[in-house]
Amino acid sequence: ETGVTQSPTHLIKTRGQQVTLRCSSQSGHNTVSWYQQALGQGPQFIFQYYREEENGRGNFPPRFSGLQFPNYSSELNVNALELDDSALYLCASSLDGSSYNEQFFGPGTRLTVL
Amino acid sequence: QQPVQSPQAVILREGEDAVINCSSSKALYSVHWYRQKHGEAPVFLMILLKGGEQKGHDKISASFNEKKQQSSLYLTASQLSYSGTYFCGTTGLSGDTGNQFYFGTGTSLTVIP
Repeated sequence: ETGVTQSPTHLIKTRGQQVTLRCSSQSGHNTVSWYQQALGQGPQFIFQYYREEENGRGNFPPRFSGLQFPNYSSELNVNALELDDSALYLCASSLDGSSYNEQFFGPGTRLTVL
Repeated sequence: QQPVQSPQAVILREGEDAVINCSSSKALYSVHWYRQKHGEAPVFLMILLKGGEQKGHDKISASFNEKKQQSSLYLTASQLSYSGTYFCGTTGLSGDTGNQFYFGTGTSLTVIP
């Protein structure tokens, strides 16, 4: 059984640029959630995708967008990067779009915006 | 809507017990507990789904009081491997934005020899 993987591991961008982060869900999982974790803070929910549809969204602006593919892997896109976007971005996979199921987290992508 | 945890930080000696509390201003339908070690991703510990439910494995257990909108995580006979930041998490449902998940404020737990 393959766990959750994310790429890239680290990324450095400049303000105003765009970035795409990728996540492969655990085998058998059809739901992916994305989180932003600033240094010293808890993860903040960005959005959730279930069977290729956005299933829920946290308090993030529209420049944070996502996709889920038929194989249930997912992308997080952030446009017009700001300095405050510097954080660890975590994805988590789970079953069936329900928030009552346990989430399995990937190792994260560390994004630095200069 | 972020659940509030207490204490913010605790230091234990090996073998001591600890309790971490999680409280929400909104109705709780389920409570998740995760542990995150420094530089690593959160790791799932357990979910509690019913009011008054208790769960546990090994020396870590939890209770969930739906009426009080509170959950507590109990760590007994702590081991060095228990060190990390503990987060409770809860689900929410918004008519506008669908499913949501809120992590608590976090509790840093350090176990020393």
